[in-house]
Amino acid sequence: QVQLRESGPGLVKPSETLSLICIVSGGSIDSYYWTWIRQSPGKGLEWIGYIFYTGITNYNPSLKSRVTMSVDTSKNQISLQLRSVTAADTAVYYCARDIDEEGMDLWGQGTTVTVSS
Amino acid sequence: EIVLTQSPATLSLSPGESATLSCRASQSVSNYLTWYQQKPGQAPRLLIYDGSNRATGIPARFSGTGSGTDFTLTISSLEPEDFAVYFCQHRNNLPPSLTFGGGTKVEIK
Repeated sequence: QVQLRESGPGLVKPSETLSLICIVSGGSIDSYYWTWIRQSPGKGLEWIGYIFYTGITNYNPSLKSRVTMSVDTSKNQISLQLRSVTAADTAVYYCARDIDEEGMDLWGQGTTVTVSS
Repeated sequence: EIVLTQSPATLSLSPGESATLSCRASQSVSNYLTWYQQKPGQAPRLLIYDGSNRATGIPARFSGTGSGTDFTLTISSLEPEDFAVYFCQHRNNLPPSLTFGGGTKVEIK
């Protein structure tokens, strides 16, 4: 079955760039939207943005100036970059398969990113 | 920007009891409301989409109702595995955005 797995450094220094990838296995990334969500410790869920397999993106306006998402169909993976991070960016980051109004039906297990010097 | 307000923040119930969770939108979202369940240390799990449609594999004890601004997730008879946090979510298309409610924790009484 289709599985998603996020990976990336667990520790990022303030002002640096957070880079994560989400590898999709057991299925193609074609024809879907792929969304990044984060959850700060003890907090709710925050939408970061989504990318269509063609590369079309939409980002949360509050993060738009610092976010870039990309897709690599040859590797079946989606990437997230978040620039100029601060402690407020410390969170568990999830990628999810997004079927629009039918919700996000598949999620990765999440990867914890801590921003600290 | 549409704001989703969930209530109550915490619901203390016993297994076998019925749970009623509320999600209120700051403006009409038609029936475009999705519900997720999240257990500690796990990713959210899709339960209900379009207000009332159960996702694949979701037990019939989970039901969603509502439209416009007021939505309800009902768990008809709580099983031990249902004690978790529940989030509602709405997607806006113009401009594209996605909003979550603050969550309701269903805990064992």
